[in-house]
Amino acid sequence: KQEVTQIPAALSVPEGENLVLNCSFTDSAIYNLQWFRQDPGKGLTSLLLIQSSQREQTSGRLNASLDKSSGRSTLYIAASQPGDSATYLCAVNTGTASKLTFGTGTRLQVTL
Amino acid sequence: GAGVSQSPSNKVTEKGKDVELRCDPISGHTALYWYRQSLGQGLEFLIYFQGNSAPDKSGLPSDRFSAERTGGSVSTLTIQRTQQEDSAVYLCASSLGTVTNEKLFFGSGTQLSVL
Repeated sequence: KQEVTQIPAALSVPEGENLVLNCSFTDSAIYNLQWFRQDPGKGLTSLLLIQSSQREQTSGRLNASLDKSSGRSTLYIAASQPGDSATYLCAVNTGTASKLTFGTGTRLQVTL
Repeated sequence: GAGVSQSPSNKVTEKGKDVELRCDPISGHTALYWYRQSLGQGLEFLIYFQGNSAPDKSGLPSDRFSAERTGGSVSTLTIQRTQQEDSAVYLCASSLGTVTNEKLFFGSGTQLSVL
């Protein structure tokens, strides 16, 4: 059974810092991995989708990497801003059309 | 529509009552998913639709839960004889294809509270 773990559970950084969020998964036979952000009381917004054949994806200040063999992904946020404050979740797809297995998230607070 | 729309946004009900939650996916998205998010828990998969068919219902917690999708569009999740442990945020998502290739787009969810 696929299990997804995110460390740390919570993180507080001052504005302007670069930061890394971690995601690990137990079954390396994945098709893809997605990073989402969730704002309080809102749904999830997909940030980046990395296919299993890819090593990284970039969008603006965000860079996600994938090391399938070691079961790890990182989300790098450059020059953090207060608007980046949210919960970040990673999710893996192990090839069924239906299922994403989600981690429990990292709650990020960027302070002024 | 511009995004995935869910209604109601909040629902408070008494134990034992039935509830219906509605999801209106992005126009043209063939795949539709229901997830549940309980306090302090990760997202839990409930059911997946491709068109009007549900090839994967494996996440439905009990036979009190059912869902349907009509016209390849709107979906309704029904919970019969609600229990307090059903209290959670119910999230609907849609995608153009399936999650093997496509990003998921989520609605804002329905917060269900069973008293």
